Amino acid sequence: ETGVTQSPTHLIKTRGQQVTLRCSSQSGHNTVSWYQQALGQGPQFIFQYYREEENGRGNFPPRFSGLQFPNYSSELNVNALELDDSALYLCASSSQGMKETQYFGPGTRLLVL
Amino acid sequence: AQKVTQAQTEISVVEKEDVTLDCVYETRDTTYYLFWYKQPPSGELVFLIRRNSFDEQNEISGRYSWNFQKSTSSFNFTITASQVVDSAVYFCALSGYGGATNKLIFGTGTLLAVQP
Repeated sequence: ETGVTQSPTHLIKTRGQQVTLRCSSQSGHNTVSWYQQALGQGPQFIFQYYREEENGRGNFPPRFSGLQFPNYSSELNVNALELDDSALYLCASSSQGMKETQYFGPGTRLLVL
Repeated sequence: AQKVTQAQTEISVVEKEDVTLDCVYETRDTTYYLFWYKQPPSGELVFLIRRNSFDEQNEISGRYSWNFQKSTSSFNFTITASQVVDSAVYFCALSGYGGATNKLIFGTGTLLAVQP
């Protein structure tokens, strides 16, 4: 196990609602990345946080936002949910630096009806 | 632009067969990292290996081996004597130097089914 935890494991929401997903990093890691994995696809990078600041963002609209806390845990917030937001959301933690490996949590499966 | 292609969508083998998973990548960076992750049905991505662009030595870890060839932009993964527990989706990924993050660019994955 990686030591990266995510909650909840599963979630069902309706279109237009808002959702918050949580991630706890592996001990000693100060960087958190979030990915969205649609069914049958590879994970897509949403954004990364380093020392509580957004450090990079993928091609996702502003209704996807995040936070990182002083203990390096993180939240992913999605507003105005759409049906296409249904996916597995993966959190990964790492030490800062391009050569550092990202270690993933078990993910949160979100279903938007 | 960076891109990872895993042309094999699904592979089915019988236990004890050897199997190779192909990965081809595109990047303009001279410094980059390549990864393989395993995703069992539970969903968690399990890290298998990381290689940097300056190290073309092949690597072996137990039944797993990796062949990195910069000349063909390939980073292939071979499982020797496959086992049922190897059944999973395998992702190849690329991390470049073009930015502040070490974000991963994933391929679409190869579903490996090992039959008993």
